[in-house]
Amino acid sequence: SQQGEEDPQALSIQEGENATMNCSYKTSINNLQWYRQNSGRGLVHLILIRSNEREKHSGRLRVTLDTSKKSSSLLITASRAADTASYFCATARLNNAGNMLTFGGGTRLMVKP
Amino acid sequence: IAGITQAPTSQILAAGRRMTLRCTQDMRHNAMYWYRQDLGLGLRLIHYSNTAGTTGKGEVPDGYSVSRANTDDFPLTLASAVPSQTSVYFCASKPHGTHNEQFFGPGTRLTVL
Repeated sequence: SQQGEEDPQALSIQEGENATMNCSYKTSINNLQWYRQNSGRGLVHLILIRSNEREKHSGRLRVTLDTSKKSSSLLITASRAADTASYFCATARLNNAGNMLTFGGGTRLMVKP
Repeated sequence: IAGITQAPTSQILAAGRRMTLRCTQDMRHNAMYWYRQDLGLGLRLIHYSNTAGTTGKGEVPDGYSVSRANTDDFPLTLASAVPSQTSVYFCASKPHGTHNEQFFGPGTRLTVL
């Protein structure tokens, strides 16, 4: 079963608008990570937030983490057509022997020029 | 080689045939992973290896085997392919440490007829 569930499954916005994607998970975590996947390509890491952090920024990206609600959000500000991609959250659980990640189903973002 | 590579890029395979997907990284990462990605299901972990000489089962290991003879290579073998193994397969690696990202290869698109 998937640890993370993303919402919405698909999002279509105009260039310049902000895009917000949400992720919920079920068990306690060490960290939560966001990845991006362009069509037909491998995943690329965007940002990692540790369980003791509440917010993190990287360029136009802002990630929040609420461990009491077991949820995270990814905000992309001032979106560009090049941001069109699928975005996945992934959780690294506590007591995880393999430092394995469990991925959500992803949000497909389309940014229209 | 720069980063993590996979071969072949794509393959069409008859059911019942044996197939090995190759994965090589030159980053000296300790951990390596194999995922499959199916539409709407995100990525699911097949097998992992924390370090050379050790392997472990992920979420969907049945029908697959792996080996880790050295740090760089982590091949995935389908002993007798079945149509349900049609998928896109991604290899990933990660340096030692809990709060590190995974680096993904470009993927292998496998079709089993």
